[in-house]
Amino acid sequence: NAGVTQTPKFRVLKTGQSMTLLCAQDMNHEYMYWYRQDPGMGLRLIHYSVGEGTTAKGEVPDGYNVSRLKKQNFLLGLESAAPSQTSVYFCASRQTSGGARTGELFFGEGSRLTVL
Amino acid sequence: DQQVKQNSPSLSVQEGRISILNCDYTNSMFDYFLWYKKYPAEGPTFLISISSIKDKNEDGRFTVFLNKSAKHLSLHIVPSQPGDSAVYFCAASGGGNTGNQFYFGTGTSLTVIP
Repeated sequence: NAGVTQTPKFRVLKTGQSMTLLCAQDMNHEYMYWYRQDPGMGLRLIHYSVGEGTTAKGEVPDGYNVSRLKKQNFLLGLESAAPSQTSVYFCASRQTSGGARTGELFFGEGSRLTVL
Repeated sequence: DQQVKQNSPSLSVQEGRISILNCDYTNSMFDYFLWYKKYPAEGPTFLISISSIKDKNEDGRFTVFLNKSAKHLSLHIVPSQPGDSAVYFCAASGGGNTGNQFYFGTGTSLTVIP
């Protein structure tokens, strides 16, 4: 049982290049999230999804796009990378039961992205 | 605007003593709170949670206290062990348009000195 898997783990981009981060979860969770972690800023929500085919904006969505075509996968795209997007990106998933909003997030190991 | 705040960037505690990590929030709609632990180069891992219908939740050495009137929660670790050295994040979610989002604090780096 792998849990939440992120690929790639590391990537270096040049300004203006595009790339996609892939998050896969094998826990059949409905909810998935993308966060970024920056020094002194904690974890900030970029986008999230409450089910297959749905996405919603979080706190810092600008410059990113997401897609949830399959329940187990959540993709984060950077169309034109900027140095300000240098960060560590974390994907998380969550299951809820009976419509309850409680239930903890399960995180992947992170993807370190550097934009030169 | 930071809705969840951890005002202490770091904390050092002797092994065997109590560690107290604090967290404040501003959104009165938050009703579910969690603590996460993070080691370098790893993803955060869940520690303990509490809903607003309680004021205390305990799990082994970890206890979370919630003071709704003060919009404050704290994590107590007793006794502290060197393996507890990590960054601790508090997080919150709530009703309305914040129900599916989890807001995190900036983290407190705990060092337990052997």
